[in-house]
Amino acid sequence: RKEVEQDPGPFNVPEGATVAFNCTYSNSASQSFFWYRQDCRKEPKLLMSVYSSGNEDGRFTAQLNRASQYISLLIRDSKLSDSATYLCAANYGGATNKLIFGTGTLLAVQP
Amino acid sequence: DVKVTQSSRYLVKRTGEKVFLECVQDMDHENMFWYRQDPGLGLRLIYFSYDVKMKEKGDIPEGYSVSREKKERFSLILESASTNQTSMYLCASSTTGGGSYEQYFGPGTRLTVT
Repeated sequence: RKEVEQDPGPFNVPEGATVAFNCTYSNSASQSFFWYRQDCRKEPKLLMSVYSSGNEDGRFTAQLNRASQYISLLIRDSKLSDSATYLCAANYGGATNKLIFGTGTLLAVQP
Repeated sequence: DVKVTQSSRYLVKRTGEKVFLECVQDMDHENMFWYRQDPGLGLRLIYFSYDVKMKEKGDIPEGYSVSREKKERFSLILESASTNQTSMYLCASSTTGGGSYEQYFGPGTRLTVT
């Protein structure tokens, strides 16, 4: 079982739609979680950090469910510019600063 | 803003060559990381460093070495490049303070080994 798992997609949604991605993690010692956005052939860019139950930033909401060991990313009112791959990451746990990344979920917002 | 730069965006090398990839960060971060990213496999950690001259192997260190002589600079070395090392190489940095683990990435180097 992979340590951080994501549905690869693609998620094809119309502009204005609400879309949600889930990401499951296997290490119960993980304390910090992140969503990154990666455009084609570019580097991942930090979108949101999730340290407690959740975080919200404009149209983006991240939720953490420790009991079921998953994090989610909700995007409201999707824009064409939201089309990208979304990576989730969890820290390894303990004092290490290493992150484990999922393989990403591809979102395509259609006009 | 955190800035992480990498020495080359694109690189083409021949099998057997020694390859140096350099990464520099300007945020005084303690931790620096080298990943490779391949389709379907995601980001895989090659090596990381938590202090000058300190390094630890990641998940796929074979065929690679690293050097960190100064806090801001972390180099990845391919001792004898092989075609299966053709990949996108990404450097990242993070701070240790405040229990924060966010990593910030450089633009990546797309390496082709022929």
